[in-house]
Formats: sequence, structure tokens, C-alpha cells
Amino acid sequence: AQRVTQPEKLLSVFKGAPVELKCNYSYSGSPELFWYVQYSRQRLQLLLRHISRESIKGFTADLNKGETSFHLKKPFAQEEDSAMYYCALGEDSSYKLIFGSGTRLLVRP
Amino acid sequence: NAGVTQTPKFQVLKTGQSMTLQCAQDMNHEYMSWYRQDPGMGLRLIHYSVGAGITDQGEVPNGYNVSRSTTEDFPLRLLSAAPSQTSVYFCASSLGGRTEAFFGQGTRLTVV
Repeated sequence: AQRVTQPEKLLSVFKGAPVELKCNYSYSGSPELFWYVQYSRQRLQLLLRHISRESIKGFTADLNKGETSFHLKKPFAQEEDSAMYYCALGEDSSYKLIFGSGTRLLVRP
Repeated sequence: NAGVTQTPKFQVLKTGQSMTLQCAQDMNHEYMSWYRQDPGMGLRLIHYSVGAGITDQGEVPNGYNVSRSTTEDFPLRLLSAAPSQTSVYFCASSLGGRTEAFFGQGTRLTVV
């Protein structure tokens, strides 16, 4: 069955430190991977998707099909990056969007 | 452009009561879905719809009903609320499951 795993519930780093939020998936088809972010008191919003290969707010994510991973990275964390981050997988056989359990990123001054 | 609008924002129910969470979108999206967000569980798909008149179950459909009579609206019904349904509920819409999903602001539901 399809599954998205985010092993860390909480990731705490100091401002300026590198950040890597892990995401692994299990899916037999061709996955479409996303990262969504939820800032305090705001609705969930798309941060980036693998097909666009963009860098958004300094974040990047590379799809590694061999390791079935889609880790989110940023070289220098900022306090405003503190938020809840969700990795999500879009199935190619249906319209389902499956989310991981989320990782709370806390960037300390 | 309102996007995805959910009502109410907060609700307290007694066990056994029924209610409907409303969701409306003005982007002409075919795909709409309902999720519940629980600590440590992330977002779990309750029901989804790929167009008017078409609905299907997600991961955690028990205790919830949906219908999709128009493209714009996708209400979620709790027929007999239980404390286990205490959660934050999010509605989302998109052009498809593999495109950007737009979320409502959420409904915080407490069942006592």
C-alpha cells in the first residue's frame, strides 16, 4: 500500500544551521511528490513539488527513486521557517493525495 | 478570489449529535477532499470527490458521509458524533490529485 513516512516529529535547529526534513515513500507507480507547509495560524500551502525542480524560500527537494526519498533541505535556516511541514504523494492511478505525519521545524535564535 | 471556504471555524458537539461541515470553492476545481488532522497522525484522507455526483472513501471514512451535488460544494456530515472525532478538519480542492491542492482554514471540532 502507498505510504509516506516522515520519521521526525520535531526538528529543532539554531538560526543559520542547515536543515534536512526527511521523507520516504512507498508506492509502486510513478509518484508525484510535494512538500506542504503550515505556518502558525495559517492554512496549509504548497511549498514545492518535485516536478518543478524549483527552490522556494531557499528550500529544495530532490526525488531519489532508488532510495524512495524526497528530503527537504535548506542550507541556512531562518526563524521564519518555523512551521509544520508535510510531505505528500499524489497517486497516478487515482486522485488521492496521501500525506505523511508531518515534522515540526523549530528554528531557535 | 475566496479560494476554499470552510464553515464553521470552531464547533463543540455533544456525543450523538449530528452536524455538517461546509466547504465551498470558487476555482472550478473538479477534485475536492476532506482530511482530519490529529497530533502525530498528520493529515488523513476521509473522503474525496473527482467531480459532481462522484465520491469515494479515503483512509478513515467511518462515521462520515459526503455528497457532491455541485462542483463548488462538498459538505462533510457527521451523523452521530463521537469523542474520537475530535479533530481539526480540512477541506481541499485541486485540478487533480497530482496538482497543487488549495486548503481551507480548517474547522476545529470538539466532541464532548
